[in-house]
Amino acid sequence: EDKVVQSPLSLVVHEGDTVTLNCSYEVTNFRSLLWYKQEKKAPTFLFMLTSSGIEKKSGRLSSILDKKELFSILNITATQTGDSAVYLCAVGAHGGKLIFGQGTELSVKP
Amino acid sequence: NAGVTQTPKFQVLKTGQSMTLQCAQDMNHEYMSWYRQDPGMGLRLIHYSVGAGITDQGEVPNGYNVSRSTTEDFPLRLLSAAPSQTSVYFCASSYSIAGQGSGYTFGSGTRLTVV
Repeated sequence: EDKVVQSPLSLVVHEGDTVTLNCSYEVTNFRSLLWYKQEKKAPTFLFMLTSSGIEKKSGRLSSILDKKELFSILNITATQTGDSAVYLCAVGAHGGKLIFGQGTELSVKP
Repeated sequence: NAGVTQTPKFQVLKTGQSMTLQCAQDMNHEYMSWYRQDPGMGLRLIHYSVGAGITDQGEVPNGYNVSRSTTEDFPLRLLSAAPSQTSVYFCASSYSIAGQGSGYTFGSGTRLTVV
């Protein structure tokens, strides 16, 4: 059975901290790994990763994939209160399936 | 504006009623999916489609039907609503398999309550 597991499930930090969110997966016919941010509405796309070892960056956010060990991390540096959200990891598989993890709820305190 | 349009945004049903959640996209995406989101459980795949006339079941298909008669539309039908189907439902679409490129585009969601 396909499975995507995120950790931690929740996290409370203070502004300026750096956080690392984890995503491990066991998915047949892996095609890609995607990260989304959700703030009480529809998820918004952050990154898509298909190759191991190539870091994707967007401002203070970065992500990398390890296809041998079957995991990905999402880093957020110098966190701000606006980073507070649920971060979702999803794996795209053959046939257009997208399998989500449970999400990590990040709360950034001033 | 281009995107994924879901209707209605909110709905209250009585147990046993049926209804259809509508999803339409105008981006000529081949891949469309339906998800439900419950607290602490992320998004779970209900049904998905790789093109007009082709649908398949996801993780939690029981109690739901779909059809894909056109590229643009992918309605989700609840056959006989149950309280366990109270959830937020998202429709998503993608240009290519597994969301390559800009990932899947999500609709704004339908909050369904079954009493």
